[in-house]
Amino acid sequence: AQSVSQHNHHVILSEAASLELGCNYSYGGTVNLFWYVQYPGQHLQLLLKYFSGDPLVKGIKGFEAEFIKSKFSFNLRKPSVQWSDTAEYFCAVSRYSSASKIIFGSGTRLSIRP
Amino acid sequence: DADVTQTPRNRITKTGKRIMLECSQTKGHDRMYWYRQDPGLGLRLIYYSFDVKDINKGEISDGYSVSRQAQAKFSLSLESAIPNQTALYFCATSDSRPSGTGELFFGEGSRLTVL
Repeated sequence: AQSVSQHNHHVILSEAASLELGCNYSYGGTVNLFWYVQYPGQHLQLLLKYFSGDPLVKGIKGFEAEFIKSKFSFNLRKPSVQWSDTAEYFCAVSRYSSASKIIFGSGTRLSIRP
Repeated sequence: DADVTQTPRNRITKTGKRIMLECSQTKGHDRMYWYRQDPGLGLRLIYYSFDVKDINKGEISDGYSVSRQAQAKFSLSLESAIPNQTALYFCATSDSRPSGTGELFFGEGSRLTVL
């Protein structure tokens, strides 16, 4: 069965610091990959996704992620974080199939010190 | 108005009671999902449905049942609620058509507390 691992449970950064959140998945076939963000008290919304093509994907609010197939990884990055990036971040994966469900990682809570 | 609407938004109930959480969507998507969110565990898939006649178990379906009453409606039932079902429940939709983006669109969540 496919699974998703997010090893950083809570990350604390100062404003303007660079961010990288790790995500690894366990399925060996072709996958679709997602990063979702959940701001305090809100529902999840999509940050970015990878289906195919350029493995470096750019999303909203200055976020990007790089798909490295050999490492089964899809790490999220942002060069300079802002206080408003305080949120919980979830990596998700689905198999490249019309009948596939989307499985989430356990999430990484990001706290930004002003 | 939200495209994916969940009711109730908050519910406190007692052990052994039957609870239904409802989800309706105006996005015209064919696929609907129920997830539960617990601190430190992320979102876990309970059930999902790819069309009205299709129901599939997710990672943690025990103790839950679902009904896809129409393309736009997908309800989650707890036949006999227990305290470890206390969680935040999310309904989500997605579009399987080639024109769709493949992403999930979430409702606002239903917070359930079982005493």
